[in-house]
Amino acid sequence: EVQLVESGGGSVQPGGSLRLSCAASGFTVSSNYMSWVRQAPGKGLELVSIIYTGGDTHYADSVKDRFIISRDDSKNTLYLQMNSLRVEDTAQYYCAGLVDVVKRGALDIWGQGTLVTVSP
Amino acid sequence: DIQMTQSPSSLSASVGDRVTITCRASQALGMTLNWYHQKPGKAPNLLIYDVSSLVRGVPSRFSGSGAGTEFTLTINSLQPEDIGRYSCQQYHSLPLTFGGGTKVEIK
Repeated sequence: EVQLVESGGGSVQPGGSLRLSCAASGFTVSSNYMSWVRQAPGKGLELVSIIYTGGDTHYADSVKDRFIISRDDSKNTLYLQMNSLRVEDTAQYYCAGLVDVVKRGALDIWGQGTLVTVSP
Repeated sequence: DIQMTQSPSSLSASVGDRVTITCRASQALGMTLNWYHQKPGKAPNLLIYDVSSLVRGVPSRFSGSGAGTEFTLTINSLQPEDIGRYSCQQYHSLPLTFGGGTKVEIK
């Protein structure tokens, strides 16, 4: 079965750090792009970061220089290291990627999400 | 960044109604537009890709259309399981951007 399972969310104070993990099964995370998408309470979806097959990365301006996306091909796992967290980073974080290359540009597999809460 | 604007932000319709959601882009997208459905408390699921191609298993009551900067998602005969948030997403250029979403409820 093709699936993504996130972990690592939790509550942290402003300025703190968290590392999110996303374990993939049924497909290879390095075969296509993988991303982290977040959704603040009652808000729309926002692409946080994306990593491509060759390792190129892209970050939303709001997280640039604070978050780092990476993957461990040996563990078939995607990560998001989040530093200098702010209250406005509070959101449900989803790991999402592309499995079927026919649907290029889409995110056709999503994890269940992990909640990150940043509060004093 | 390409801005995506959806309307309406929410709607309430009866079972069996035809529902239309609009997504407007700040610049022309060609065919680089996808739609997602997110049931309450769940992760989004890809519904339609490349403007009008249904993902396998998606009921035929769903359809997508449009070109340029204006796109439409239509649900013919709304069903109870269709409730939730619908979001458009462009991949014409990075960063991938999403519309703000449309919350669909049953009247």
